[in-house]
Amino acid sequence: EIVLTQSPGTLSLSPGERATLSCWASESISSRHLAWYQQKPGQAPRLVIYGSTTRATGIPDRFSGSGSGTDFTLTISRLEPEDFAVYYCQQCGSSIVTFGQGTKLEIK
Amino acid sequence: EVQLVESGGGLVQPGGSLRLSCAASGFTFRSCWMSWVRQDPGKGLEWVAHIKPDGSERYYVDSVKGRFTISRDNANNSLYLQMNSLRAEDTAVYYCARISSGPIFDYWGQGALVTVSS
Repeated sequence: EIVLTQSPGTLSLSPGERATLSCWASESISSRHLAWYQQKPGQAPRLVIYGSTTRATGIPDRFSGSGSGTDFTLTISRLEPEDFAVYYCQQCGSSIVTFGQGTKLEIK
Repeated sequence: EVQLVESGGGLVQPGGSLRLSCAASGFTFRSCWMSWVRQDPGKGLEWVAHIKPDGSERYYVDSVKGRFTISRDNANNSLYLQMNSLRAEDTAVYYCARISSGPIFDYWGQGALVTVSS
């Protein structure tokens, strides 16, 4: 099973700042098999990025993804109030799917 | 508009059974892989199972193998999760999710809460 580790656990920033969220895989995975989700309290997760770099439908271009191998990053260029949420990375490199433990992005 | 609506959650005693349903609409259900993902209240996400469009392939996380069964009814655009021998650690919100290529979960239902407690 591929383990995903996200860092930091909590990120405290102000609107307008840049957010950088990291996701490390316990073994190398194809970039095609890495996704990011956003979850707000009381809501279901929402797909943000798939294939490591492709924004999902309706996701603004301030969100971007990068990385390869075992090291992946989600960047939010200028935080808007609605961006504060928990973010999860997810891999699907085999028939077993795993998620990272999440990064909580909170308002400073 | 894609919609996924779960039902069937509730309180069940340890060792009991429960069947979750997911009604799908707004897309060609019979062409899509489908999945269940759960979330322990206040904690992270855990993939549970997914099923091929024709139902011929099913995959499960180790912790539910032999106890849970994912199935589907393409004629009625419905996905199911039969949960037997339930344990306290199965307590979670269970989400029905559509799978895009990957598998990536591109649409999610609102979730159904399952509580296993005596």
